[in-house]
Amino acid sequence: NAGVTQTPKFQVLKTGQSMTLQCAQDMNHNSMYWYRQDPGMGLRLIYYSASEGTTDKGEVPNGYNVSRLNKREFSLRLESAAPSQTSVYFCASRAGYETQYFGPGTRLLVL
Amino acid sequence: RKEVEQDPGPFNVPEGATVAFNCTYSNSASQSFFWYRQDCRKEPKLLMSVYSSGNEDGRFTAQLNRASQYISLLIRDSKLSDSATYLCAVNRAGSARQLTFGSGTQLTVLP
Repeated sequence: NAGVTQTPKFQVLKTGQSMTLQCAQDMNHNSMYWYRQDPGMGLRLIYYSASEGTTDKGEVPNGYNVSRLNKREFSLRLESAAPSQTSVYFCASRAGYETQYFGPGTRLLVL
Repeated sequence: RKEVEQDPGPFNVPEGATVAFNCTYSNSASQSFFWYRQDCRKEPKLLMSVYSSGNEDGRFTAQLNRASQYISLLIRDSKLSDSATYLCAVNRAGSARQLTFGSGTQLTVLP
């Protein structure tokens, strides 16, 4: 099992460019999550999906959109990147109310 | 008040020392509690869940104090390899499916 995988690992964007971060899990988990992590701020939830076909906003959703393509895949899209979106992005999945498993992260720099 | 708060540290301790971290939470209805470990530039990984009666895993002991609304992590006989950032996580107010993470406590074990 690969667990949770994310692509790309690194990305540099110019302000105003768009991109999609991909996430996939092979653990048959219903719930999937996107977080951003900034120094001193901890992990902040952007969006989550409790099950296939549903998505909900988290703490910091502005500037992002998500798609739960199927049970395995949950993508995060930045339509018009801003320097404030420079961060490390983690995808996670969870079975029921147990712990979350994280992917390796995507480091994004917006110039 | 933040939903989950941790002392950011850093905690610098010698090898073999015992060190303890606390994490306070604001939602008295929270039911799920976890400690994660995050190495530099890596994803968070589950260290241990925290159960009502307290639980131990080798050199690590986790405790829950519902009356004072905090969880704790005790590390005995610290090893160099314990150097990391330790994050606590609590299920979010009003949503059992979401976890709120603390900002993390940085631990450095010195030779």
